[in-house]
Amino acid sequence: DIVMTQSPDSLAVSLGERATISCKSSQSVLYSANSKNYLAWYQQKPGQPPKPLIYWASTRESGVPDRFSGSGSGTDFTLTISSLQAEDVAVYYCQQYYSTTQSFGQGTKVEIK
Amino acid sequence: EVHLLESGGDLVQPGGSLRLSCEASGFSFGNYAMNWVRQAPGKGPEWVSGISSSGGSTHYAESVKGRFTIARDNSKNTLYLEMNSLRAEDTALYFCAKDRDFWSGYYTSIDYWGQGTQVTVSS
Repeated sequence: DIVMTQSPDSLAVSLGERATISCKSSQSVLYSANSKNYLAWYQQKPGQPPKPLIYWASTRESGVPDRFSGSGSGTDFTLTISSLQAEDVAVYYCQQYYSTTQSFGQGTKVEIK
Repeated sequence: EVHLLESGGDLVQPGGSLRLSCEASGFSFGNYAMNWVRQAPGKGPEWVSGISSSGGSTHYAESVKGRFTIARDNSKNTLYLEMNSLRAEDTALYFCAKDRDFWSGYYTSIDYWGQGTQVTVSS
């Protein structure tokens, strides 16, 4: 099974500052046949299901603000919030769907400093 | 508008069984893979099981393999999860989740989630 490890577990950032979350997979999630990274990011607020943010590692979901961006390839990925807003306080999860047994990271809690 | 409505969650004793359902609407259900994802209190999501658009391919997390069975009825736009030999560690909110892209032999990311149905395993 592919293990997804996020860092840090929690992050406090001032409003308007950059937040960066790392996600590492125990094996590559890059499928060479189509050059796609099978990696997604989700945002979850209390009492709600996860909200999709990014898929194919860097493609933003429709309606997601452009301050959210995803990057990386192979085993190392990053979610960046370029200018943190109050509504971005949440827990963020990465997910690999490369394997038929999918898996999520443990989550990174983002708070306001 | 895509809508996923889970039902069937309940309080059940260890060793018991439960069947979850997910009624889907707002999209061509039979064209998409579907998933069950669970989330224990205070924990992150855990993918449980996935099924191809036709139902011909099914996959399970190691933690539930041999105990849970995923199925779908495309004529009823409904996804199911049959859960047997339930354990305390199966206690969680169970979400139904839709794959983003048409099934092409592999799963894609999730683009829609239901609100979940609560399963509690306790004596």
